[in-house]
Amino acid sequence: GQQLNQSPQSMFIQEGEDVSMNCTSSSIFNTWLWYKQDPGEGPVLLIALYKAGELTSNGRLTAQFGITRKDSFLNISASIPSDVGIYFCAATQNRDDKIIFGKGTRLHILP
Amino acid sequence: GAGVSQSPRYKVAKRGQDVALRCDPISGHVSLFWYQQALGQGPEFLTYFQNEAQLDKSGLPSDRFFAERPEGSVSTLKIQRTQQEDSAVYLCASSLTDNEQFFGPGTRLTVL
Repeated sequence: GQQLNQSPQSMFIQEGEDVSMNCTSSSIFNTWLWYKQDPGEGPVLLIALYKAGELTSNGRLTAQFGITRKDSFLNISASIPSDVGIYFCAATQNRDDKIIFGKGTRLHILP
Repeated sequence: GAGVSQSPRYKVAKRGQDVALRCDPISGHVSLFWYQQALGQGPEFLTYFQNEAQLDKSGLPSDRFFAERPEGSVSTLKIQRTQQEDSAVYLCASSLTDNEQFFGPGTRLTVL
């Protein structure tokens, strides 16, 4: 089946550092999504990308839809304590379609 | 509230029991999705409704899993004869057609 390979699995960083995570697939997707999930909550959409090559920002977050349609990355600049959580890349063939999720990147911020 | 709500938030079942998990989507949302999230994993698709029609149930892992949305609003995911491997968080999401899916907080099912 379709799979997304997300890396790294976990990250330990100092507050203020920049963060980068990425996602690859052997399949082509038409929409790439990045979610954050806090403990005991459902995933919350951070950024949606609908066009190959698209670079989109949301505050300190920047994400890109790879030109091959098989990959995406998310950058977080100047991390703060509330950035702690699990970040999932996700993708769909169409907007109103089931979402395929990666396995997540667990972000830890060292005191 | 304005978001997707799910109940119960936590459910403990003995192996072999039947369970029913409820999802209240955002009012007016046409599409409703169920996902299963095992510990340490990303959510995995189970089934999809557009109004009351179940258009895709390809992700249901066995015939013990059954979902319904009889009036095109509230949905129930039923698991019969629960097994330990059914332990997971079950997430519901709803959306307007062709738009962002909003997720509920999930129901954490533990099968003993």
